[in-house]
Amino acid sequence: DTAVSQTPKYLVTQMGNDKSIKCEQNLGHDTMYWYKQDSKKFLKIMFSYNNKELIINETVPNRFSPKSPDKAHLNLHINSLELGDSAVYFCASSPRTEYGYTFGSGTRLTVV
Amino acid sequence: KNEVEQSPQNLTAQEGEFITINCSYSVGISALHWLQQHPGGGIVSLFMLSSGKKKHGRLIATINIQEKHSSLHITASHPRDSAVYICAVRVGGQKLVFGQGTRLTINP
Repeated sequence: DTAVSQTPKYLVTQMGNDKSIKCEQNLGHDTMYWYKQDSKKFLKIMFSYNNKELIINETVPNRFSPKSPDKAHLNLHINSLELGDSAVYFCASSPRTEYGYTFGSGTRLTVV
Repeated sequence: KNEVEQSPQNLTAQEGEFITINCSYSVGISALHWLQQHPGGGIVSLFMLSSGKKKHGRLIATINIQEKHSSLHITASHPRDSAVYICAVRVGGQKLVFGQGTRLTINP
């Protein structure tokens, strides 16, 4: 069983479209994250939820909206996609005690 | 200037060599993580450190809190160690700030 699973793995879409990326973890972790890795492979935090509550919201355009229906799921919805949104998006989770992070395999988003 | 700086950015070595990757940070942290990103893109957490030293197999990670510096060492390197190694520091509770990564290539 995959610990942190993201779908889809690849997403190619046109500018202006709305898309969602789903993330689920079966580790019982309290905290989930979305990270963005740009073309230079640099990772940056976007959002973090602790038990369905938003605790980190970095400077991210309003077109990005996270949704956490329960503590095992954290989805990322992106409206009006732009070329600059092309990146790899990683979901991750960690236990409350922050022993370590478990990452999903990433979603490569390409906006054309 | 990034809050987390790694050196070198790229490192190529021969199989069997001892490898050192360095990480310096400029902010107060509660922990430091070393991550490994394989060519396929997946990210694996290697170590979490708040003090001292940790060892796992051929990998050793150290941290000096006073000097705000950490090192990742690989002994008896192998081509399968080829990956990008990323240092990340935990600030403000839950937030990770990442270094730019070190691309390691081990030639047979």
